[in-house]
Amino acid sequence: AQRVTQPEKLLSVFKGAPVELKCNYSYSGSPELFWYVQYSRQRLQLLLRHISRESIKGFTADLNKGETSFHLKKPFAQEEDSAMYYCALSPNSGNTPLVFGKGTRLSVIA
Amino acid sequence: NAGVTQTPKFQVLKTGQSMTLQCAQDMNHEYMSWYRQDPGMGLRLIHYSVGAGITDQGEVPNGYNVSRSTTEDFPLRLLSAAPSQTSVYFCASSLPGRAGGTQYFGPGTRLTVL
Repeated sequence: AQRVTQPEKLLSVFKGAPVELKCNYSYSGSPELFWYVQYSRQRLQLLLRHISRESIKGFTADLNKGETSFHLKKPFAQEEDSAMYYCALSPNSGNTPLVFGKGTRLSVIA
Repeated sequence: NAGVTQTPKFQVLKTGQSMTLQCAQDMNHEYMSWYRQDPGMGLRLIHYSVGAGITDQGEVPNGYNVSRSTTEDFPLRLLSAAPSQTSVYFCASSLPGRAGGTQYFGPGTRLTVL
């Protein structure tokens, strides 16, 4: 069965420091990977997906199939990055639900 | 487009009461789902639907019922509320297929069961 692991519940960094939110997955096929973000008291929204290969709000994520990882990175953290971040996996089958990790709360300290 | 809407925003129930959480989307999405969000547990799938008339169970379906009579609406029913169902509930929708993996979430319903 597919599984998404986010090993850190809470990650605190200083403003301007690099950020890396870890995500590892377990799936035998070729999944689609996503990062969702939830700012305080707001709905979840898509941050980025690996097939887009784009940078959103300075964040990037590379799918490493060898290490089955999809870590989220940003070179310089900003206070407005403080939020809950969820990694999610979509299996090969189109209508199979997304599998979410338990989330990592990022706190950027001024 | 209003996107995904949920009502109510907040609700307090007593143990044993029943209620329906409403979810609607105006994007003609075939796929809809319900999640609950609890501290330290992340998002857990309750029920989902791949189209009108079709529903299936997720990870934590016990105590909840769903139906999908139209493409637009996907209500979640709590049959007999329990304190363990105190949570924030999110509805989401997406297009079907691999490219439809992007989920659009509603604003959430914060439910407290006393």
